[in-house]
Amino acid sequence: DAGVTQSPTHLIKTRGQQVTLRCSPKSGHDTVSWYQQALGQGPQFIFQYYEEEERQRGNFPDRFSGHQFPNYSSELNVNALLLGDSALYLCASSSGSAGGAYGYTFGSGTRLTVV
Amino acid sequence: AQKVTQAQTEISVVEKEDVTLDCVYETRDTTYYLFWYKQPPSGELVFLIRRNSFDEQNEISGRYSWNFQKSTSSFNFTITASQVVDSAVYFCALSDSSGGSYIPTFGRGTSLIVHP
Repeated sequence: DAGVTQSPTHLIKTRGQQVTLRCSPKSGHDTVSWYQQALGQGPQFIFQYYEEEERQRGNFPDRFSGHQFPNYSSELNVNALLLGDSALYLCASSSGSAGGAYGYTFGSGTRLTVV
Repeated sequence: AQKVTQAQTEISVVEKEDVTLDCVYETRDTTYYLFWYKQPPSGELVFLIRRNSFDEQNEISGRYSWNFQKSTSSFNFTITASQVVDSAVYFCALSDSSGGSYIPTFGRGTSLIVHP
């Protein structure tokens, strides 16, 4: 049973560019949450998608956007990249809109470096 | 607003020592959930344990044990007879009904280094 799959694993982008990260949730899960983890910090919540809609959003600018597809997979898009966007981006899946109460299944993340 | 504090940034021990990781949380809700996750160098956060606010019974699972005390808003995690494979960053997390979706808030993590 595949867990959460994220791609790519590593990415290097230039400041000002745009990037798309992808996530396939664990089988049976329908909710995807995205987190940003800067070096030496805890994961920070970006947003959550459920039923193809953004249900909750953390304190991130509009440069961060996302999408959820009918098969529950999700994309995270970041426009106008800044050096400060360099981080590990983690995707987490769960079941239902309140799945956070039961714990998430995380992927291994995408390491984004902005130069 | 929910908040999780892990005051210990890094802990270094020698194999077979016992180690306790501290976690203090803040929430206004009476119903909430607490978690511990482990993050090895591979990056994936691995779920270890979940506790709800109505279950203060402490638990032992193999070499792991957890101490949940609502009176002090603490949810500490102990590894008995630590091993090198326990080396990782450990995160405490809290989910409450803020915003209605029980989105977990994570602490800054405690890096555990177990030396052979």
